[in-house]
Amino acid sequence: QKEVEQNSGPLSVPEGAIASLNCTYSDRGSQSFFWYRQYSGKSPELIMSIYSNGDKEDGRFTAQLNKASQYVSLLIRDSQPSDSATYLCAVLCLIIQGAQKLVFGQGTRLTINP
Amino acid sequence: DADVTQTPRNRITKTGKRIMLECSQTKGHDRMYWYRQDPGLGLRLIYYSFDVKDINKGEISDGYSVSRQAQAKFSLSLESAIPNQTALYFCATSDPPGDEQYFGPGTRLTVT
Repeated sequence: QKEVEQNSGPLSVPEGAIASLNCTYSDRGSQSFFWYRQYSGKSPELIMSIYSNGDKEDGRFTAQLNKASQYVSLLIRDSQPSDSATYLCAVLCLIIQGAQKLVFGQGTRLTINP
Repeated sequence: DADVTQTPRNRITKTGKRIMLECSQTKGHDRMYWYRQDPGLGLRLIYYSFDVKDINKGEISDGYSVSRQAQAKFSLSLESAIPNQTALYFCATSDPPGDEQYFGPGTRLTVT
């Protein structure tokens, strides 16, 4: 059973601070990792993808990957109230030869306080 | 125009009725997926299709069936709806090698 674990939160962060979201996964062979943002009642929106160890920055978002520790994180700098949402970690896992499946964590609910 | 569309966006139906949810995409992706989302249970995969001739069950396929009419269209049917199928349903698409999935806006289904 491929698993992706996230702290469900809620995580509360003051406006302008850095929000740090964490995710661990069980499949050592995974090579592709994604972060989705989901506002209440809306569909998940892809905000970051990362494939190699280290950091990947896109605007105020930084994804960090450590395959040895099976750990992926998302940092949001200068947090804004509009960043308040649930953040889903997703890991592409091999299910059978030639076929992969995206496994989602339960999501972390983030609240940015003005 | 949205790349992935779902119809209807909201549906209320009665127990025992047959219902179909439709998904269309203009992204040109081969792979399509159906998920349901329930509060506290996250996203769960119902069915997925890697091309028009390929249909696979996900983790919760009982009570559901699908049809891949074309590369761009993937429909989900509930043959005899029951109240515990009340949920938010999402269609998604992807393409290798990255397989980033892109979601439609969702269908809120209520079975009374």
